[in-house]
Amino acid sequence: DAGITQSPRHKVTETGTPVTLRCHQTENHRYMYWYRQDPGHGLRLIHYSYGVKDTDKGEVSDGYSVSRSKTEDFLLTLESATSSQTSVYFCAISESAAGHGYTFGSGTRLTVV
Amino acid sequence: SQQGEEDPQALSIQEGENATMNCSYKTSINNLQWYRQNSGRGLVHLILIRSNEREKHSGRLRVTLDTSKKSSSLLITASRAADTASYFCATVSLGGTASKLTFGTGTRLQVTL
Repeated sequence: DAGITQSPRHKVTETGTPVTLRCHQTENHRYMYWYRQDPGHGLRLIHYSYGVKDTDKGEVSDGYSVSRSKTEDFLLTLESATSSQTSVYFCAISESAAGHGYTFGSGTRLTVV
Repeated sequence: SQQGEEDPQALSIQEGENATMNCSYKTSINNLQWYRQNSGRGLVHLILIRSNEREKHSGRLRVTLDTSKKSSSLLITASRAADTASYFCATVSLGGTASKLTFGTGTRLQVTL
């Protein structure tokens, strides 16, 4: 999607290894979010950021950490990947705390074997 | 936990027919949004309706909101094959450091020629 890119698009990793997913935006939006999408669960919020170095947990944050050192980049790290973290991960951005739709990236398909 | 539940889970119609999807949610909201997701892609924002609005239109889309029943519906008129996708409702409740979208599990719409 225009203005937001995720990398990598696909990744296969082994159980126990650390993995970092990157979200990059060119919209200068303050708010950034990481979601995971699994069959039967819709999208669930992992972590979000409300400014540089300002982050907070979502509903499924265990096993994940995030960092935001610049407005444009929001990194999601799986500290020690497990098979239950096999999922599709989406980053989203928003220009306001409420009242605007989110713009989503194209997703990263992560497989933990 | 899911805030929104969509109904039906899957819907198959012919081109030219109308498609109606329903969403129910549990807590008070600031606004409700609808998103479309094509297979293998990210989510695209369709429309936002605020808690003090009852109906909103955008092209072939009509959204209604009934806060007393905690429910919303999305109507797509004169459907096209290109409307084939999954549709998600998402609610926004204010509070904390940022608004957060909470998604339902989605409705899969299939439009056949």
